[in-house]
Amino acid sequence: DAEITQSPRHKITETGRQVTLACHQTWNHNNMFWYRQDLGHGLRLIHYSYGVHDTNKGEVSDGYSVSRSNTEDLPLTLESAASSQTSVYFCATQNSLRTDTQYFGPGTRLTVL
Amino acid sequence: AQKVTQAQTEISVVEKEDVTLDCVYETRDTTYYLFWYKQPPSGELVFLIRRNSFDEQNEISGRYSWNFQKSTSSFNFTITASQVVDSAVYFCALSGPISSNTGKLIFGQGTTLQVKP
Repeated sequence: DAEITQSPRHKITETGRQVTLACHQTWNHNNMFWYRQDLGHGLRLIHYSYGVHDTNKGEVSDGYSVSRSNTEDLPLTLESAASSQTSVYFCATQNSLRTDTQYFGPGTRLTVL
Repeated sequence: AQKVTQAQTEISVVEKEDVTLDCVYETRDTTYYLFWYKQPPSGELVFLIRRNSFDEQNEISGRYSWNFQKSTSSFNFTITASQVVDSAVYFCALSGPISSNTGKLIFGQGTTLQVKP
């Protein structure tokens, strides 16, 4: 069965460290998204990609970067982790149409101390 | 600006009661899509339904039903004969502006539903 996996599922890091969260999908979907979920803010879009070598900034992109070297993966990098980036991160995929349903991975809980 | 409002922060019911979760949205688009997702205590986000703005027919799937009313910009979700397994946070979401065509979703704040045995 096609799926979306995220790793690690839980991560604790220190302020200032670089952290990379992995997202891997076997849906063969073109579009991939990263969201963060925080109490009081719901889910907010960080970055997204419509295909290989395409990346775009979302509404809360400061301090984050992504790269898309193949269809299956969209890793999210925190360049220098800050306590404000403590959150639950969700990766989502979507078929080619930008109004198609987005399917979400299981999430990564990141704590920055 | 686009916005989704789920005014009910928390709802608590007893098993077998019916419960309706409200969702009100704002958009200037004439074509848009609405979604509901469920987030159980395990944390994953589970897709429930997608509706487009041209289809105002109510949808029923087992104990779940959705009432889309364009005139009031609402897309409410009803669970009939609730069960403990329905306990979760439920999110309503709106597709981003068609004009910008980002594919992003705009989420409401979520409604926490607790179903007590």
